[in-house]
Amino acid sequence: AAGVIQSPRHLIKEKRETATLKCYPIPRHDTVYWYQQGPGQDPQFLISFYEKMQSDKGSIPDRFSAQQFSDYHSELNMSSLELGDSALYFCASSLGTGGIPNSPLHFGNGTRLTVT
Amino acid sequence: AQSVAQPEDQVNVAEGNPLTVKCTYSVSGNPYLFWYVQYPNRGLQFLLKYITGDNLVKGSYGFEAEFNKSQTSFHLKKPSALVSDSALYFCAVRDMNRGSTLGRLYFGRGTQLTVWP
Repeated sequence: AAGVIQSPRHLIKEKRETATLKCYPIPRHDTVYWYQQGPGQDPQFLISFYEKMQSDKGSIPDRFSAQQFSDYHSELNMSSLELGDSALYFCASSLGTGGIPNSPLHFGNGTRLTVT
Repeated sequence: AQSVAQPEDQVNVAEGNPLTVKCTYSVSGNPYLFWYVQYPNRGLQFLLKYITGDNLVKGSYGFEAEFNKSQTSFHLKKPSALVSDSALYFCAVRDMNRGSTLGRLYFGRGTQLTVWP
């Protein structure tokens, strides 16, 4: 079965640079979530989109922005990168935001961002 | 607010023995609970969920979880552990209350399970 695809798998950037992470949800899934997982930490919710509109916003820095496109893929744009942004960034997709409450989130393998 | 707690950072068990990974929850409204497993440098894989119905939920790879409303717990169990079960396990609760956070998943801190041969 098709899974959530994230690219790139690894990304190395220097401080103050920008990065763009991409996420391709499972076909027919209309909701995308972004999570950040620091070393030894649990995943922290950043932002989500439902039908191409932002549906929820968590602890996402102002330096970050995201959007969901007409084909439902999503991109997380990160600017003025800081050392503390080094983490594993996960994208997850599901079918509906509560419309089908028992639809679990399916996660991609993540993008490991290293800021030097 | 929704939250889950995993009281153990690590659980060690011998192969073939039963395993339990503990999780307690705090929710407003009905609990929608999940277990995910994470292997090194990989994404989180869905194991099982509790929405309503039977308190014993069966999931992938022989795992099951027992929902206990009076103890607000959702412990993950497996009758006979395998070395390949060694991984990081996350309990999570989904916010199903109407509002801006509808659908958000909140994770526990994770429990590292090590199964030795």
